[in-house]
Amino acid sequence: QVQLQESGPGLVKPSETLSLTCNVSRETISHSYWGWIRQPPGKGLEWLGYIYYSGNTKYNPSLKSRLTISVDTSKNQFSLKLNSVTAADTAVYYCTRVLTSSSLTGYFDYWGQGTLVTVSS
Amino acid sequence: SYELTQSPSVSVSPGQTARITCSGDALPKQYAYWYQQKPGQAPVLLIYKDSERPSGIPERFSGSSSGTTATLTISGVQAEDEAEYHCQSADSSDIYVFGTGTKVTVL
Repeated sequence: QVQLQESGPGLVKPSETLSLTCNVSRETISHSYWGWIRQPPGKGLEWLGYIYYSGNTKYNPSLKSRLTISVDTSKNQFSLKLNSVTAADTAVYYCTRVLTSSSLTGYFDYWGQGTLVTVSS
Repeated sequence: SYELTQSPSVSVSPGQTARITCSGDALPKQYAYWYQQKPGQAPVLLIYKDSERPSGIPERFSGSSSGTTATLTISGVQAEDEAEYHCQSADSSDIYVFGTGTKVTVL
């Protein structure tokens, strides 16, 4: 059973960069796609983007200019950086495994427990 | 931007059947997926590729899709099924989208 665990600061100041890391265990990161999803308090889920071990990425156009997802195969981890954050970026951030192909709508079969990131001064 | 629309809430008595719908213009060409989320927990995949059930998911959960509407059916609802249910698909550019979410209350 694949396990994912998010880590990073729980509080970020406005205009700064939100950085999170997802540690993957019981699965080699080079075997799949990996993604990030967030959920503002009391609201729905929003897909942020995903990455393949090769470094290929796909981002939600609404965040593309502020978002970078990277992968470190040596540590079996992938990371998210979201710059110029505002209070609207306050959310629980989940890392996930993404199952996708050229002929399949992608979906998310394993999720981390999520980490709350609050943007506040 | 593309949207998937779900009814905000559904109330059902134990043992009855709950049906949750998800509407979106791209659903005729894209698969629908369903997730269950209980308070304070991460979502769990319930249904993939419109109607397939991952191992470990009870048979009372089933999915279907026709035209622009996907449906999640919970047959013989149990108290433990009280949760938020989210549909998910993609638009024509393969940008992933989640539905607005449906709160299922077991009376």
